[in-house]
Amino acid sequence: EAQVTQNPRYLITVTGKKLTVTCSQNMNHEYMSWYRQDPGLGLRQIYYSMNVEVTDKGDVPEGYKVSRKEKRNFPLILESPSPNQTSLYFCASSYLAGVSTDTQYFGPGTRLTVL
Amino acid sequence: AQKVTQAQTEISVVEKEDVTLDCVYETRDTTYYLFWYKQPPSGELVFLIRRNSFDEQNEISGRYSWNFQKSTSSFNFTITASQVVDSAVYFCALSDPSDETSGSRLTFGEGTQLTVNP
Repeated sequence: EAQVTQNPRYLITVTGKKLTVTCSQNMNHEYMSWYRQDPGLGLRQIYYSMNVEVTDKGDVPEGYKVSRKEKRNFPLILESPSPNQTSLYFCASSYLAGVSTDTQYFGPGTRLTVL
Repeated sequence: AQKVTQAQTEISVVEKEDVTLDCVYETRDTTYYLFWYKQPPSGELVFLIRRNSFDEQNEISGRYSWNFQKSTSSFNFTITASQVVDSAVYFCALSDPSDETSGSRLTFGEGTQLTVNP
């Protein structure tokens, strides 16, 4: 089954404790990205990747890191989480044709709480 | 800069009523894509439709229909004969594939919470 998976689905942590949210897709998509969803703000892009070893900042990259060592995986790293990073996080992927992406498909979401 | 506005924060209807969710967008570009996603209470984002800016034909899929009007920069979504299972948050989104600096990111509206009561 074609899908985007994220782990963990739920995470409660404390300020400053490094964490990684994994994202994997099995559709051979070139393009992957991370969004965060906050009430009243919709979804905002954190980072994106056009292909392996190619990553760039989205609208709200502060406090996050990403890597793209393999085509299928795009982990989101919070080196020192803070309470304002409490949010619902989505990974998405799509095919890429030039600079145009096809429809982005989203993972199930990761609900992160930072105390 | 791109912007998507969903002015209706919450809508509540009774089952079998028709309901229209509004979406207004801003972009300087002539080529762009518009999307609707559904987020049910379980939290996942479900893709509903993608529309190219050059295709202004309305689309119908079962009880769902979309009205794209470039002249008013709107891409409204209508559910006919609503059902309880339609209760969800609905997001309208815009993508500008010509902007090489944006990574073709989706610009989302704030979402509309639709509640369909039995």
